[in-house]
Amino acid sequence: EPEVTQTPSHQVTQMGQEVILRCVPISNHLYFYWYRQILGQKVEFLVSFYNNEISEKSEIFDDQFSVERPDGSNFTLKIRSTKLEDSAMYFCASSGAYEQYFGPGTRLTVT
Amino acid sequence: RKEVEQDPGPFNVPEGATVAFNCTYSNSASQSFFWYRQDCRKEPKLLMSVYSSGNEDGRFTAQLNRASQYISLLIRDSKLSDSATYLCVVLRRNQFYFGTGTSLTVIP
Repeated sequence: EPEVTQTPSHQVTQMGQEVILRCVPISNHLYFYWYRQILGQKVEFLVSFYNNEISEKSEIFDDQFSVERPDGSNFTLKIRSTKLEDSAMYFCASSGAYEQYFGPGTRLTVT
Repeated sequence: RKEVEQDPGPFNVPEGATVAFNCTYSNSASQSFFWYRQDCRKEPKLLMSVYSSGNEDGRFTAQLNRASQYISLLIRDSKLSDSATYLCVVLRRNQFYFGTGTSLTVIP
């Protein structure tokens, strides 16, 4: 069964550093998403991406964040200058028609 | 007003019980509706989509009431393995909105 994969599973970084989280969506899906979930809180939408451009983004997705689809398979989330409050689980998801499927997440810890 | 609201619970039920969760959404333009299940520190997994006519998958039944803007999930004959957080999710304009989740613990 095809699945969304994410790397790394856990990333520890120092405040102010840049991080890139990587995702490989399901191959025939057209819509890609990033979410974050702070421990004990709800899943929060960050951004959706379709046809090589951002289609929607939330208030959380400020200038510190960017997304890219550098090739035909990867979908990346970059945080330019991490803050302590960026510590969370980051989930990538993809969808074909409208049901979306999540990757296992990257746990980002900012120290 | 929140886009999606759920009772966070927790719901603690004995094995074999029937349990129901409700969820309300605020925007009548919402297009599609889903229930996801999330285990502790894991990713959300799609449990079922919710159709206007209602739909059933084994022990799980989902219903949608567009007039009242609520969605429900019924779990019959609860199993220990049903213990998880159940997330109500609404799609509107290519953005998925998540409820805070309802915590279920099934007790032996």
